[in-house]
Amino acid sequence: AQTVTQSQPEMSVQEAETVTLSCTYDTSENNYYLFWYKQPPSRQMILVIRQEAYKQQNATENRFSVNFQKAAKSFSLKISDSQLGDTAMYFCAFTHFTNFGNEKLTFGTGTRLTIIP
Amino acid sequence: NAGVTQTPKFQVLKTGQSMTLQCAQDMNHEYMSWYRQDPGMGLRLIHYSVGAGITDQGEVPNGYNVSRSTTEDFPLRLLSAAPSQTSVYFCASSTQGLDRQYFGPGTRLTVT
Repeated sequence: AQTVTQSQPEMSVQEAETVTLSCTYDTSENNYYLFWYKQPPSRQMILVIRQEAYKQQNATENRFSVNFQKAAKSFSLKISDSQLGDTAMYFCAFTHFTNFGNEKLTFGTGTRLTIIP
Repeated sequence: NAGVTQTPKFQVLKTGQSMTLQCAQDMNHEYMSWYRQDPGMGLRLIHYSVGAGITDQGEVPNGYNVSRSTTEDFPLRLLSAAPSQTSVYFCASSTQGLDRQYFGPGTRLTVT
């Protein structure tokens, strides 16, 4: 079974600073996706960024980037120039591909990030 | 497109009552899933479906039933609610070749 571990329950950072959220996972699969989801107080689950395991290049989406270390099974999220709107719960998630697709996600326990004005 | 919709947004039940959480999507996705979110535990998969007429159990299926009679709808049934089922429930959908899932807005359920 896959497991996803987020060891930082809470973090806070000053506005405009850079923050890195950690995630490690365990799997015996070779073909999988990793995700970071953001959950603001509205409760909506918002996809921030995703990484395909077969791609060596780290994914980036504007101010969000990941550091994907496949051998170490590590998948950290870096938020640059942090903004007040980044305040949210962040979940790391994993899925491996089956014959049907990616219908099952395994989530970490989340990191509550607070951006301080 | 409305995406993934869930009703109701909030619900309070007494122990032993039954109810159905509704989930619908208008994107013609064949894969649909139900997750529950508890404090400090992230989201956990309850049941999922890979198409109409096909369902399977996830990590925490006990106390819940599902069926999938149409591509659009995937209701989650609680036959006899228990306080341990107090949680926020999310429905999600996806399709083959799509490397992400779309989530509904969630239903907050309280069982007293």
